[in-house]
Formats: sequence, structure tokens, C-alpha cells
Amino acid sequence: EAQVTQNPRYLITVTGKKLTVTCSQNMNHEYMSWYRQDPGLGLRQIYYSMNVEVTDKGDVPEGYKVSRKEKRNFPLILESPSPNQTSLYFCASSSPLAGSSYEQYFGPGTRLTVT
Amino acid sequence: GENVEQHPSTLSVQEGDSAVIKCTYSDSASNYFPWYKQELGKRPQLIIDIRSNVGEKKDQRIAVTLNKTAKHFSLHITETQPEDSAVYFCAASWREYGNKLVFGAGTILRVKS
Repeated sequence: EAQVTQNPRYLITVTGKKLTVTCSQNMNHEYMSWYRQDPGLGLRQIYYSMNVEVTDKGDVPEGYKVSRKEKRNFPLILESPSPNQTSLYFCASSSPLAGSSYEQYFGPGTRLTVT
Repeated sequence: GENVEQHPSTLSVQEGDSAVIKCTYSDSASNYFPWYKQELGKRPQLIIDIRSNVGEKKDQRIAVTLNKTAKHFSLHITETQPEDSAVYFCAASWREYGNKLVFGAGTILRVKS
């Protein structure tokens, strides 16, 4: 089954404690992205990757890091989480190649609370 | 960069009526405009999209129209049903930049039965 998976689905942590949210896709997609969703603000892109070892900042990258060492995985790293990073996070993947669907496939989401 | 504005933020309709959600975008280079539906507690899912070489696209009860000159596009849902109740997001993208989507803030649609 074609899918995007994220782990963990729920996480409560404390300020300053490093954490990683994993994202994996099995569709051989080149493009992967992280979004955060906050009420009234929609989905805002944090980072994206157009292929292995190619990453770039989205609209709200401050406080986040990513890496793309393998095509299928795109982890999101919060080195020192703060309460303003409490949010719902989505990973997504798609293929930008000509002839492929433009659709972005979203993971199930990770609800993060930083106290 | 691209900026997408979406209206209204909430919309209540009676079952069977039509619903219209409107979006405007700022970057004239944008050429791909998808609409995503997000049910409560679920992930966003693509429901319809339109590319800049097309003015209108329809899929059963859902249609999207695009006016590139005015830089706005709209989602039309006819014969609304309770299962249409969800949050709807519009987005804009310049395809050549690897599907980097900029989303609107979302519209909460409530269909009253």
C-alpha cells in the first residue's frame, strides 16, 4: 500500500529536550516536505527536499533541522524545542517528474506539545 | 514569495445547497492550484486541482474555476451533503520548483442536515 508514515503520532516533551519526528514514504517520491498546522494559519511549510542530500528552507524554518540521507526518509529534528513549536506536524511527499501526478501525499500527522 | 488568501474562514450551508470558497494568490508565476480536504483528526487529501492552462475543471459535485488575469480561483461544491463537512484548503504552486505549495488559511465548511 502506497503511504507516508510518521512517528511518533503524539508527543509531549519539555522545553530544550531534543527530539526527532521520523517520516518515511514507500512511493519512491523525490520530493518530501514538512508542514506545521496551527489554527487560523493553515499549513505552513517548514523545510522541503527535492532529492537525496538536497534540502531547503520553507516559510517557517527557525528552530528546525532536517536531513535527507535516503530517498524514503525525511526526519524533522527539533534541537531545543520551545512552547511555540507546539503544533500539528505533517510530512508529505510527491513526485515532481514530468508525467507524474502533482498530488502531495500527507502522512497521518504528529501532534507535538512542548511544555 | 507567494501569498494565498482564502475566504470565508467559516461557511455554513443547508444540506443540498451549494458552497463556494474563494482564494487569491500573489505570484503570477504560479501555475498549479490544488484543493485539499481535511476531515476532523485526519490528514489533508487532494480533492481536485487545476493547472494554469485550464479555466475550469469538474469532478462530479466539485468544480474549480481559475481566473489567471485576476489571480483568483474558487471551489464550488453543489448538492452539499453532511459528509462534505470538513476544512478545505486551497494552495498555489510553481510546479518547476518541485511542488512547493503555499496554502491558504483554510475554510471550515459545515453542512447542516
